[in-house]
Amino acid sequence: GIQVEQSPPDLILQEGANSTLRCNFSDSVNNLQWFHQNPWGQLINLFYIPSGTKQNGRLSATTVATERYSLLYISSSQTTDSGVYFCAVEEGNNAGNMLTFGGGTRLMVKP
Amino acid sequence: DVKVTQSSRYLVKRTGEKVFLECVQDMDHENMFWYRQDPGLGLRLIYFSYDVKMKEKGDIPEGYSVSREKKERFSLILESASTNQTSMYLCASSHRDRREQYFGPGTRLTVT
Repeated sequence: GIQVEQSPPDLILQEGANSTLRCNFSDSVNNLQWFHQNPWGQLINLFYIPSGTKQNGRLSATTVATERYSLLYISSSQTTDSGVYFCAVEEGNNAGNMLTFGGGTRLMVKP
Repeated sequence: DVKVTQSSRYLVKRTGEKVFLECVQDMDHENMFWYRQDPGLGLRLIYFSYDVKMKEKGDIPEGYSVSREKKERFSLILESASTNQTSMYLCASSHRDRREQYFGPGTRLTVT
């Protein structure tokens, strides 16, 4: 099956700093999502981005499908950005809409 | 807004008990999913359903069964709970064509 690798595994930032999280995947995809898991365990949708670039406030994401990676940018980080960020992909030949998750990036933003 | 709800946030059960985890979505989604999340192992798919009364095994179906009698509701059943089923259980749903999955708040199950 498809492999999904996220980097870095852990990240500590000072409030106000910018960061880039990376997601590499091993095969073609027809779905890529970024999630933020808050301290209570809820997975919150950030982006649905199988290709191209999207922005939502201080967050933006870019997926280069031909090179099999996606980037999540966080600008002017806030303590509420802390948590685990997951990238999840659906293989290109998958008819069942099943997601494969990366291992996550654990972000801590210090005040 | 899409809303996915799960019947309990926290649940404690004894070994051998039958456990039902319920998930309801309000967006008329065709697809529904059950995942479990464990430290070091990430999120893994247990079962999914693409229509009423339809189900497909995911990566780790052993020890679990599911039921989908109505489009909005997807139940995960632990026939005889064991301690290695202590985990965080997450339900999700998606539209057949749109494919973006939305998750519920999760149920943290402890089996003692």
